[in-house]
Amino acid sequence: GQNIDQPTEMTATEGAIVQINCTYQTSGFNGLFWYQQHAGEAPTFLSYNVLDGLEEKGRFSSFLSRSKGYSYLLLKELQMKDSASYLCAVRVHGSSNTGKLIFGQGTTLQVKP
Amino acid sequence: GAVVSQHPSRVICKSGTSVKIECRSLDFQATTMFWYRQFPKQSLMLMATSNEGSKATYEQGVEKDKFLINHASLTLSTLTVTSAHPEDSSFYICSARESDSAIYGYTFGSGTRLTVV
Repeated sequence: GQNIDQPTEMTATEGAIVQINCTYQTSGFNGLFWYQQHAGEAPTFLSYNVLDGLEEKGRFSSFLSRSKGYSYLLLKELQMKDSASYLCAVRVHGSSNTGKLIFGQGTTLQVKP
Repeated sequence: GAVVSQHPSRVICKSGTSVKIECRSLDFQATTMFWYRQFPKQSLMLMATSNEGSKATYEQGVEKDKFLINHASLTLSTLTVTSAHPEDSSFYICSARESDSAIYGYTFGSGTRLTVV
């Protein structure tokens, strides 16, 4: 089966740094994605990791360890607008070798002044 | 960048009726489209994967006769919720992909809020 775990909720202070963890156990692995989703809206792409290591993109960084089945999303210099849900998704092979995304339950981040 | 248009954004229907949701890729050809359902405060649950011109592949536990998916062209996929019931009320989101080699190419529609009364 497919299992992707994230904390349900996190709270952080404006200007601080927050790390959102994601662990996964999936049948097959072909990359890990992080998305941001505001309530009632579609997810927006944040980052992608397929090899071990850190990918940095402005205030956002994402880390992957395939041997540990572990990833984290690091958000720096938090802003109020960063309050949202953060979704970890693993790409696995579907039918006809089509890569499909399996999502974790999402982490709701609340940024406080 | 790639854009996926999803309509309607909101729909309210009576129990027992059917509702069709459309998902269009506006500036690329989507060989594969994915349909997700999201309940409040939960994550996206993949319902089915559809490739243009072939039958959709449904995830375990999703009733194929209730959630009809048609992917007749490279730019359009539809999800029809047949004989809708209040428990089908949810946020439905489509995602389109140009090809399997497109690493970042999962473009999401804006979602459809379905309420069955």
